[in-house]
Amino acid sequence: NAGVTQTPKFQVLKTGQSMTLQCAQDMNHEYMSWYRQDPGMGLRLIHYSVGAGITDQGEVPNGYNVSRSTTEDFPLRLLSAAPSQTSVYFCASSLRRGGDTQYFGPGTRLTVL
Amino acid sequence: GIQVEQSPPDLILQEGANSTLRCNFSDSVNNLQWFHQNPWGQLINLFYIPSGTKQNGRLSATTVATERYSLLYISSSQTTDSGVYFCAVQTRGSTLGRLYFGRGTQLTVWP
Repeated sequence: NAGVTQTPKFQVLKTGQSMTLQCAQDMNHEYMSWYRQDPGMGLRLIHYSVGAGITDQGEVPNGYNVSRSTTEDFPLRLLSAAPSQTSVYFCASSLRRGGDTQYFGPGTRLTVL
Repeated sequence: GIQVEQSPPDLILQEGANSTLRCNFSDSVNNLQWFHQNPWGQLINLFYIPSGTKQNGRLSATTVATERYSLLYISSSQTTDSGVYFCAVQTRGSTLGRLYFGRGTQLTVWP
């Protein structure tokens, strides 16, 4: 098993550009989520999904969109990047929403100029 | 939301020393995990331990759910143990399914 994979590892964007952060898992996990990690703020939940076709907002969803067309993939889209979105982004997955080990991807370090 | 407090915030050790990291949480949980964030930023899952005791090599962890704390023990520390150790919990019935992370313990192991 590859576990949770994320691409790209690093990305630099200019303000206003769009991009998609990719996340995939091969463990047939139902639950997937996106976090951002910022100094002094810890990890905060952006969006999550409890299965294909089902997504919902976390605590900091503004400026981000998600979709989940398959069990394996959960991309995160930035429609118009802003400097405040400079962060490290982690994708995570677990078998179910509650009470199961959550596995994290290696992260994407994003800088918005 | 639930409060997660970790101590100590910083720990500096010489290779071969033992250490204990503590995590206190303010509510009942159905998930508690310990992570190691290595110098490259990767979050490595160490233990899933909502209750009881587990061991994996030089690392072991104990969670006393009724008293709302967990301990991570590192024995015979090595330089590769350096990094930040996070405790993260999930509350029962959480609709978001999110993990609440503590602020972490920054561990530095010197040769």
